[in-house]
Amino acid sequence: KQEVTQIPAALSVPEGENLVLNCSFTDSAIYNLQWFRQDPGKGLTSLLLIQSSQREQTSGRLNASLDKSSGRSTLYIAASQPGDSATYLCAANQAGTALIFGKGTTLSVSS
Amino acid sequence: NAGVTQTPKFQVLKTGQSMTLQCAQDMNHNSMYWYRQDPGMGLRLIYYSASEGTTDKGEVPNGYNVSRLNKREFSLRLESAAPSQTSVYFCASSVIQNTEAFFGQGTRLTVV
Repeated sequence: KQEVTQIPAALSVPEGENLVLNCSFTDSAIYNLQWFRQDPGKGLTSLLLIQSSQREQTSGRLNASLDKSSGRSTLYIAASQPGDSATYLCAANQAGTALIFGKGTTLSVSS
Repeated sequence: NAGVTQTPKFQVLKTGQSMTLQCAQDMNHNSMYWYRQDPGMGLRLIYYSASEGTTDKGEVPNGYNVSRLNKREFSLRLESAAPSQTSVYFCASSVIQNTEAFFGQGTRLTVV
């Protein structure tokens, strides 16, 4: 059974810092991996989707990488801003089912 | 562009009452999903519908039923609500199974 883990559960950084959020998964047989952002009391906003054949995807200050062989994905946020404060979720997509989520990393960026 | 719309946004039920959570998407997606989100547990899949006319159980289906009414709509029914079903419920959709998923804003349900 696929398990997705995100470490750390919480992270606090000063504004302007570059940071990396980690996601690991136990079964490398995934179609893709998706990163989401969730603000308190809100729904999930899709940030990036990495196909299993890809190594990375970029959107603005965000860069997500995927290493299937090691069962790891990272979300890199450049020049962090207070508006980046939110919970970041990763989810692995496998055949025959739907997204399997990690429990998230709650990011706080202080000004 | 509305995307995925869930109703209601908030609901309080008494133990034993029934209710249906509604979900509709306007993106012409084939696959739809229901998740629940609980503190410390993350998001867990309740049911999904890979295409119109099909539904399958997810990780935590007990106490729930679903109906894929048509391509746009996927409802979740609680026949006899229990306090353990207090949660935030999210509906999602994707073009087909295993492609990028888009989520609604959630329904916050409290069972007392």
